[in-house]
Amino acid sequence: GAGVSQSPSNKVTEKGKDVELRCDPISGHTALYWYRQSLGQGLEFLIYFQGNSAPDKSGLPSDRFSAERTGGSVSTLTIQRTQQEDSAVYLCASSFSQIMNTEAFFGQGTRLTVV
Amino acid sequence: AQTVTQSQPEMSVQEAETVTLSCTYDTSENNYYLFWYKQPPSRQMILVIRQEAYKQQNATENRFSVNFQKAAKSFSLKISDSQLGDTAMYFCALVAGTYKYIFGTGTRLKVLA
Repeated sequence: GAGVSQSPSNKVTEKGKDVELRCDPISGHTALYWYRQSLGQGLEFLIYFQGNSAPDKSGLPSDRFSAERTGGSVSTLTIQRTQQEDSAVYLCASSFSQIMNTEAFFGQGTRLTVV
Repeated sequence: AQTVTQSQPEMSVQEAETVTLSCTYDTSENNYYLFWYKQPPSRQMILVIRQEAYKQQNATENRFSVNFQKAAKSFSLKISDSQLGDTAMYFCALVAGTYKYIFGTGTRLKVLA
């Protein structure tokens, strides 16, 4: 695609419900990242994919968070039993390779509100 | 540990004036890259400029330039001839030794007409 696409753009959910956030990276980009942006905070790294594998899941805050990537393309971030502290903007980014100087292209994010 | 610090939560500048956003970082790696990203209200992060640590020459992209002081671990962004469209959050980021971006907490810049 022309850019990184994330859906939904906004999601309001009740505490305790599960949510799925989707990311469609730029075609051909092998590296994919999920970040979380809380109000007044910087971007917090969650997970990194190279192809379909996730060599670095160190940023996932709890076992309620999981992510997968299929076909080297679409990725889904799942949050189970959502809590109010999960409210944030979830940003996905992709890059052509994992080389350090490669530009990461970001989606517009999903704003998650847990009520 | 690698860290990025942006000490100016908010700044404002008059249209056509020049503004400098500060960023300091810490890493023990010798090879690393520094980035400035812009996040307008649309939430879309856009790369503004990047700097390779082994290059002494400061990067420049049109109205945007950096002042890279490697010894001081400082990486400030200068925006010249500020435009209303420059209003956004600006994030400084470091990539060192791995693929992972480490971001600062951002500076909210408002350009005043």
